[in-house]
Amino acid sequence: NAGVTQTPKFRVLKTGQSMTLLCAQDMNHEYMYWYRQDPGMGLRLIHYSVGEGTTAKGEVPDGYNVSRLKKQNFLLGLESAAPSQTSVYFCASSSQNGSPLHFGNGTRLTVT
Amino acid sequence: DQQVKQNSPSLSVQEGRISILNCDYTNSMFDYFLWYKKYPAEGPTFLISISSIKDKNEDGRFTVFLNKSAKHLSLHIVPSQPGDSAVYFCAADTSGSRLTFGEGTQLTVNP
Repeated sequence: NAGVTQTPKFRVLKTGQSMTLLCAQDMNHEYMYWYRQDPGMGLRLIHYSVGEGTTAKGEVPDGYNVSRLKKQNFLLGLESAAPSQTSVYFCASSSQNGSPLHFGNGTRLTVT
Repeated sequence: DQQVKQNSPSLSVQEGRISILNCDYTNSMFDYFLWYKKYPAEGPTFLISISSIKDKNEDGRFTVFLNKSAKHLSLHIVPSQPGDSAVYFCAADTSGSRLTFGEGTQLTVNP
């Protein structure tokens, strides 16, 4: 049972480039989330999904887009990367609202 | 507006002693509180939670205390072990909403 798997683990982008971060969960969870972690700021919610085909904005959604075409996958896209998006990105899932989150191991993204 | 704050970026304790990690919140609508533990290069993992209808929840060496009037919660670890060295995040939730996390506290337990 892999839980929540994120790919890639590391990535370096130049300003203006685009990329997609992949998140897959094998726990049949309805809810999925994308967070970013920055020093001194904890975990901040970017976007989330309460089920297949649905997405919603979190606390810091600007510059990101998401898609949830399949229940097990949640994709985070950066259309035009900026240095301010240098961060560690965590995907998480939960079975229902209020249940503890299960996190992946993160993607470390550097934008130069 | 930081609704959940962990004012101590770091805490160092001796093995066998008690570790107390603190968290303050401002939103009185929060009704569910959680603690997560994070090791380097890994994602956070759920540790313990407490509902606002309780003031204490215990799980082995870990106890969470909630003081609603002070809008304060704390995590007690006793006895502390070197394997407890990690970053601890507190988080708060309102029914039907999403988790709000604090900044995290780095706990170091010295042998």
